[in-house]
Amino acid sequence: AQSVTQLDSQVPVFEEAPVELRCNYSSSVSVYLFWYVQYPNQGLQLLLKYLSGSTLVKGINGFEAEFNKSQTSFHLRKPSVHISDTAEYFCAVTVGDMGRRALTFGSGTRLQVQP
Amino acid sequence: GAVVSQHPSRVICKSGTSVKIECRSLDFQATTMFWYRQFPKQSLMLMATSNEGSKATYEQGVEKDKFLINHASLTLSTLTVTSAHPEDSSFYICSAIVMGYGDEQYFGPGTRLTVT
Repeated sequence: AQSVTQLDSQVPVFEEAPVELRCNYSSSVSVYLFWYVQYPNQGLQLLLKYLSGSTLVKGINGFEAEFNKSQTSFHLRKPSVHISDTAEYFCAVTVGDMGRRALTFGSGTRLQVQP
Repeated sequence: GAVVSQHPSRVICKSGTSVKIECRSLDFQATTMFWYRQFPKQSLMLMATSNEGSKATYEQGVEKDKFLINHASLTLSTLTVTSAHPEDSSFYICSAIVMGYGDEQYFGPGTRLTVT
């Protein structure tokens, strides 16, 4: 079975500073990787996804992530954060038959952007 | 884009009563929907997989007689929490897979259930 580890439960950062949210996964087969953002009392919004091809994936709101197979990582980055980026971020993975499998989520990272 | 709705967004019920939560795909057909549960400050945990026209598949530790799932059409799945208890209080989120586009799940906005 696959698993996801988000190493940081909280990441405080000042506005306009760069940020990296870490995600490592474990799987014995090829994976598909996702980052989602969740604002308070709301559902999940997809930021970006890695299915195949280029290991650098660009998403919405200026976020990007890099798939590193050797390090089994999929870290999320943004060069300059805004106050509005304050939210919970979840890394997720699925394997196998892409259209039929549920996602396994990491424990989440709370990004707190301070003025 | 694909939109998934949930109703109600919030519900408060008394212990021992049952609550039904609806998950609808508004502009697409979903052969498969998933139900997740999220406790405060925790991640999403898969409860069950709902397939249109067949019985739901429940994850280990999830009581199928307590959490009844019905996926009666390609646009609607319902989760009924029977004989609710305070420990069932949680945020319930559904997601749906777009038929023919098997690489993304679309999530509903969630339902906050509080059992008093």
